[in-house]
Amino acid sequence: AQKITQTQPGMFVQEKEAVTLDCTYDTSDQSYGLFWYKQPSSGEMIFLIYQGSYDEQNATEGRYSLNFQKARKSANLVISASQLGDSAMYFCAMRLMNRDDKIIFGKGTRLHILP
Amino acid sequence: DTGVSQDPRHKITKRGQNVTFRCDPISEHNRLYWYRQTLGQGPEFLTYFQNEAQLEKSRLLSDRFSAERPKGSFSTLEIQRTEQGDSAMYLCASSLAYPSYNEQFFGPGTRLTVL
Repeated sequence: AQKITQTQPGMFVQEKEAVTLDCTYDTSDQSYGLFWYKQPSSGEMIFLIYQGSYDEQNATEGRYSLNFQKARKSANLVISASQLGDSAMYFCAMRLMNRDDKIIFGKGTRLHILP
Repeated sequence: DTGVSQDPRHKITKRGQNVTFRCDPISEHNRLYWYRQTLGQGPEFLTYFQNEAQLEKSRLLSDRFSAERPKGSFSTLEIQRTEQGDSAMYLCASSLAYPSYNEQFFGPGTRLTVL
């Protein structure tokens, strides 16, 4: 079965420190995409970063990078130089390219940035 | 504003009543998705459309739920005979069909409370 696992329900990090949010996924498909979304308290889902299963290099978008380890089926999000505005829920998600087009989400990690 | 919009943002209803939500996707996006998010969980896929065709329905979508996208533009999600368990945030997202790695852009959601 396809599944996303986020094992950290909550994290507290000091401002300006780097933070790693863990994500592991389970699929037997070869073609898939991995996403990270941010959900502030206002509720909207904000796309952060994407990694394709065939991409050889880790994706980066500004302060966000995705540590993709295909053999371990992990796709951890790294936020460098954290800011107070990074406090939010973070969801890891997977999209299977050769099946139905839905995105499967993990349960999320609530990140708190401390001043 | 060219983002995904949803209406209403909040809906409070009594058990047994029918409710209808509307989603307006980004204008050039031909795919439209509905998700449900309960407290402390990630969004769960309900259904999606490509243009006006409904291509996939989750088993979460009971007979009381129906979704339409009559002209391939906006979509409606109707819940008949609401139950307290239907209380959740209902999220709409849109994307282009190709390339398949395109992220889904989410609307602000409709928060449903069934009393």
